[in-house]
Amino acid sequence: GIQVEQSPPDLILQEGANSTLRCNFSDSVNNLQWFHQNPWGQLINLFYIPSGTKQNGRLSATTVATERYSLLYISSSQTTDSGVYFCAVDDFNKFYFGSGTKLNVKP
Amino acid sequence: GAGVSQSPSNKVTEKGKDVELRCDPISGHTALYWYRQSLGQGLEFLIYFQGNSAPDKSGLPSDRFSAERTGGSVSTLTIQRTQQEDSAVYLCASSLASLYSNQPQHFGDGTRLSIL
Repeated sequence: GIQVEQSPPDLILQEGANSTLRCNFSDSVNNLQWFHQNPWGQLINLFYIPSGTKQNGRLSATTVATERYSLLYISSSQTTDSGVYFCAVDDFNKFYFGSGTKLNVKP
Repeated sequence: GAGVSQSPSNKVTEKGKDVELRCDPISGHTALYWYRQSLGQGLEFLIYFQGNSAPDKSGLPSDRFSAERTGGSVSTLTIQRTQQEDSAVYLCASSLASLYSNQPQHFGDGTRLSIL
C-alpha cells in the first residue's frame, strides 16, 4: 500500500503564530485530503486537494503531486485549532492515513 | 437527522462476543466509509461502499470483521469473536459521491468499543 508520513508528529504554538504541516506520500494517488480532529474526537474534512493550492480562511493547503507531498498552512493560530491533523490519500479503492500531527495552541 | 448517525455511541462487551455497529449516513449520500482509531493512534481505513457494494475489502483487519450496506443507506460493521485489540473508536463517514470525486466526507461521532 501507499505509505503516508506526516511531520512534525507534535507541535506546540503560541496563539497567533503560523505553522506548516507536511504530508509525504510514497506513490501516485487519486486524491489527498486533510482532516482535523478536535480534542473531543470530532473529525472534519478541511481540504480535498489532489494538486494545486486552496485556501479557507486562515488555513491553506498546497499539494505538489509530482513531488508527492502536501503542505497545510495555519496562519494566526487560535486555541480552537488544537487537535490532530491527518493527511489521507486514496488510490481509487482505499484510503491511507498518516499518523497525524498533534497541535497544541496555547493562549 | 442532518448528520451521520452512529450507534451505539459506546459499547462494552466481553472478549469472544460478537458486536454490531451501525451507521446511518446523510440522506442521499451514496458513498460510505468505515474507519478505526485505536487509542493514541492514527486513523485506519477499513472499508468503503459505493451504493451497496464494496470494491475492496482488504482493509478489514481480519476475517472476524464484516460489513454490509443495504438499500444504499444504513451500514453495519460486525465483529465476531471480539478480541481486546479490537478496542477502538469506529468512525463512519459519508459523502455525496465516490472516491473518484471531489466531495467532502462527513463524519459521525463514532462508536467507542471496549473489549474486556
